[in-house]
Amino acid sequence: AQTVTQSQPEMSVQEAETVTLSCTYDTSESNYYLFWYKQPPSRQMILVIRQEAYKQQNATENRFSVNFQKAAKSFSLKISDSQLGDTAMYFCAFMGRIQGAQKLVFGQGTRLTINP
Amino acid sequence: EADIYQTPRYLVIGTGKKITLECSQTMGHDKMYWYQQDPGMELHLIHYSYGVNSTEKGDLSSESTVSRIRTEHFPLTLESARPSHTSQYLCASSHRRQGDEQYFGPGTRLTVT
Repeated sequence: AQTVTQSQPEMSVQEAETVTLSCTYDTSESNYYLFWYKQPPSRQMILVIRQEAYKQQNATENRFSVNFQKAAKSFSLKISDSQLGDTAMYFCAFMGRIQGAQKLVFGQGTRLTINP
Repeated sequence: EADIYQTPRYLVIGTGKKITLECSQTMGHDKMYWYQQDPGMELHLIHYSYGVNSTEKGDLSSESTVSRIRTEHFPLTLESARPSHTSQYLCASSHRRQGDEQYFGPGTRLTVT
């Protein structure tokens, strides 16, 4: 069964610092997608970044980048020059074919706080 | 933000009542999903639909039911609410032409007293 593990329940950094959130996953598939979602307090879940497993190049979206290590099944998110608005729950998610259907499996989440 | 809407945003209701949580999207997405999320916890898929008249149960067992009569509308119903149903319910949609990237609604926070 596919599983996603986020080993850091909470993290806290100062504004402008760089922070890395960890995520590991387990799958026997070769084709899949990985995502990082952000859920601000009392606000809508939004997609931060996605990575296709067949692409070796790490995805980047402005201040957000990933370190995708397919062999190690690791998918960490790096936030550079962190801002107060980055404070949120961050969820790592795996999407692949599970029991015949394309489904998302979420990790437990990491609560990130950016301090002024 | 994505064009996916959920109503109500907050609901407090007594045990035994029937409730329907509404979800609609204007993006023409063929796939829709319902997730259950306890505060600060991960999301669990409870229902999904790949198109009109198609519904499937997700990975987490739920006493709720869903229907998909129109592409844009995917309501979730609890026939008899119980305190154990207290949670946040998130609706999402996706389209295979867009890599099945899921867009989420704002959620309904349900409290059953």
